[in-house]
Amino acid sequence: DAGITQSPRHKVTETGTPVTLRCHQTENHRYMYWYRQDPGHGLRLIHYSYGVKDTDKGEVSDGYSVSRSKTEDFLLTLESATSSQTSVYFCAINPESYNEQFFGPGTRLTVL
Amino acid sequence: SQKIEQNSEALNIQEGKTATLTCNYTNYSPAYLQWYRQDPGRGPVFLLLIRENEKEKRKERLKVTFDTTLKQSLFHVTASQPADSATYLCALDSGGYNKLIFGAGTRLAVHP
Repeated sequence: DAGITQSPRHKVTETGTPVTLRCHQTENHRYMYWYRQDPGHGLRLIHYSYGVKDTDKGEVSDGYSVSRSKTEDFLLTLESATSSQTSVYFCAINPESYNEQFFGPGTRLTVL
Repeated sequence: SQKIEQNSEALNIQEGKTATLTCNYTNYSPAYLQWYRQDPGRGPVFLLLIRENEKEKRKERLKVTFDTTLKQSLFHVTASQPADSATYLCALDSGGYNKLIFGAGTRLAVHP
């Protein structure tokens, strides 16, 4: 998985609770992304980052926030989890010299 | 808005045959298009990238074509094997920061 880890790998939580997912990379790449994947929708971009403290919204950012205080870590926070945020979340990196992305193993989140 | 369509129905083929998957897009003129493979429970893995000025790209038993007039890419797996069974995703660049828009994917099942 190109030196990308995600934690936790599985999480079950209740509606209304805050949740933070972590993406960690070992190679100091600038570009990092958070996606969610749902049946019939494919991968949809939530937020992305192009450097420390440089982040921006993607296609489906409502209800999510991100932070990147270190190059290697990109955190995704669900401020108040809802059942519609039950999904599989993938983190990805894009090395500067390439156009393709490398994905982490994913986090399966269930909001009850 | 940009839209990508892939056949939602699974493609079932016999081992040794050529599988052809389709990716159609609208409302955009991407600089490049990518194909990824995704196995159950895992993150997508990059396979091939084809640029707007390229008609065809090959990698081992894989071949991708890109017709910017038809706004379509075809992904061929020749001499298919059961190990090729997976979901295949196409993705377009959406301009800036290497952001991608993904199709929902097509599941390929190769039967012995």
